[in-house]
Amino acid sequence: EPEVTQTPSHQVTQMGQEVILRCVPISNHLYFYWYRQILGQKVEFLVSFYNNEISEKSEIFDDQFSVERPDGSNFTLKIRSTKLEDSAMYFCASSGQGNAKNIQYFGAGTRLSVL
Amino acid sequence: AQSVTQPDIHITVSEGASLELRCNYSYGATPYLFWYVQSPGQGLQLLLKYFSGDTLVQGIKGFEAEFKRSQSSFNLRKPSVHWSDAAEYFCAVAPNQAGTALIFGKGTTLSVSS
Repeated sequence: EPEVTQTPSHQVTQMGQEVILRCVPISNHLYFYWYRQILGQKVEFLVSFYNNEISEKSEIFDDQFSVERPDGSNFTLKIRSTKLEDSAMYFCASSGQGNAKNIQYFGAGTRLSVL
Repeated sequence: AQSVTQPDIHITVSEGASLELRCNYSYGATPYLFWYVQSPGQGLQLLLKYFSGDTLVQGIKGFEAEFKRSQSSFNLRKPSVHWSDAAEYFCAVAPNQAGTALIFGKGTTLSVSS
């Protein structure tokens, strides 16, 4: 069964460093998403991406964050200068076409630890 | 604003017993409704969804959920719980259009006792 793949599974970084979280969505999907889950809190939406541009973003997704689809398979989330409060599990998701466009499939997540 | 409430933070059920996890939502129209499950170290797996039509929907792993518009609820049920069902369960809603955010509840952790 096709799945969303995220790498790395765990990323440790120093405060102020840039990190790039990587995702390979399901191959024929057109919509891509990033969510995060701070430990003990709910899963929160960050951004959605369609047709090579951001279609929706939350107030969390400020200028420190950016997304990119650098090629036909990868979808990345960049945090320019990490803060302690960016420590969280980051989930990538994708959804398809037609009746499936509203069904989001999630990856296993990348745990980001900012020290 | 849209919101999802899962009133139970943690539930313990005996193996073989029935299960009901509660979910209430706040949304102006009828949203799309979802239940996801997260096992330790795993991503969010879709259990079932409701878009329209029959208000009782069947999902994977023997789960079902019932949409009750009058109560703004979408409770998840399973008639007989297995030890492998121990996980965290998330209810989520979304407007009925593609590419929009899922709004999640805080989740309910299910423990299964033998």
